[in-house]
Amino acid sequence: AQTVTQSQPEMSVQEAETVTLSCTYDTSENNYYLFWYKQPPSRQMILVIRQEAYKQQNATENRFSVNFQKAAKSFSLKISDSQLGDTAMYFCVTRGTSYGKLTFGQGTILTVHP
Amino acid sequence: NAGVTQTPKFQVLKTGQSMTLQCAQDMNHEYMSWYRQDPGMGLRLIHYSVGAGITDQGEVPNGYNVSRSTTEDFPLRLLSAAPSQTSVYFCASSPMGAVVETQYFGPGTRLLVL
Repeated sequence: AQTVTQSQPEMSVQEAETVTLSCTYDTSENNYYLFWYKQPPSRQMILVIRQEAYKQQNATENRFSVNFQKAAKSFSLKISDSQLGDTAMYFCVTRGTSYGKLTFGQGTILTVHP
Repeated sequence: NAGVTQTPKFQVLKTGQSMTLQCAQDMNHEYMSWYRQDPGMGLRLIHYSVGAGITDQGEVPNGYNVSRSTTEDFPLRLLSAAPSQTSVYFCASSPMGAVVETQYFGPGTRLLVL
């Protein structure tokens, strides 16, 4: 079984600044994957970034990067140069060896202020 | 390429009524799944399918039925709606065979059971 915990229900940041969203997880599997999904007010779920647990190098995707600490089971998301369009709910998600069975955290509502 | 489509967008039911939430994808994805999203909680997996004729239960399957007669369609049936099934429902699909799948989500169906 897997669990995902996002301890920050809400966060806010000024436009152009940097913000970090926290996530911890627990899993008994050796091979697993981690994701951050974004859900804007439109409710569409959008993949932001993904990380394979067997890779030590942190994933980056343009302004989005992760800090993956495998021993600590921590997977935080850093958003640089925040934009108004980044306002959304962000979910930390894991997947083990069972294909497609995602486990979601509770979500963090991020508001970017002008 | 419409991606993943869901109908209806919003539905009101009375306790005990039945209904079917429709989900279709035009990307020839083998894997499809249904999630529900409740306030303060992340998405939870209801049922999933790895191909036509194959379905399996997720984390919260009680009260829901699914079938997969074609690759494109994956309807979710509520047999006797209960207020506890008030939620937002998301359908997702992904291709199998990739090392790390990308799940494509539909826009969601908001269900209110009175």
